[in-house]
Amino acid sequence: EVQLVESGGGLVQPGGSLRLSCAASAFTFSSYWMHWVRQAPGKGLVWVSRINSDGSSTSYADSVKGRFTISRDNAKNTLYLQMNSLRAEDTAVYFCARDGPPGTAYWFDAWGQGTLVTVSS
Amino acid sequence: DIQMTQSPSSLSASVGDRVTITCRASQSITSYLNWYQQKPGKAPKLLIYGASSLQSGVPSRFSGSGSGTDFTLTISSLQPEDFATYYCQQSYTTPPYTFGQGTKLEIK
Repeated sequence: EVQLVESGGGLVQPGGSLRLSCAASAFTFSSYWMHWVRQAPGKGLVWVSRINSDGSSTSYADSVKGRFTISRDNAKNTLYLQMNSLRAEDTAVYFCARDGPPGTAYWFDAWGQGTLVTVSS
Repeated sequence: DIQMTQSPSSLSASVGDRVTITCRASQSITSYLNWYQQKPGKAPKLLIYGASSLQSGVPSRFSGSGSGTDFTLTISSLQPEDFATYYCQQSYTTPPYTFGQGTKLEIK
């Protein structure tokens, strides 16, 4: 069974940094594009960032561009999100999600359980 | 960016009811529309991709239709486990991969 397990969330002060990890198993991680999606408390889903299968191409939502960096280590089957200059409005549960089968049109067919990031003084 | 608008924002229904949720795109997205179900405290789950294709393992009471700008998710006979929040998401022009605001389906 496909599994995605996030870690690294927690409480951080405004302006601080945090790195999230997402460990993947039971599928060929290196073949899939991967995403981060977040959900503020009581709010809807918001796409954050995407990385292609070999890590050579990335994209970001305007709200995090220049502050967040997505990366991956295909040897370790792990996806990362480095979050810098954190703001209160970044407070959310962060989900990693797998893109659809290679060559398909961008849906998220597997999700982790999420990790909570709280930005507060 | 393409905006996605769902209606209604919330809905009360009974077990056995037929329910329809609508999603409208701010411009044509052909059939690049996906639907997700999310239960409280859980990760979203893909139900429908490409407007009408049922994801493996999803019960056949769920169906999707539409193209262009107007789409629907239909649950033919509500079951107790279907009470959740539903999101549409466009994948026509990416990034960003925009979601609708969600429709909360509650028990009447």
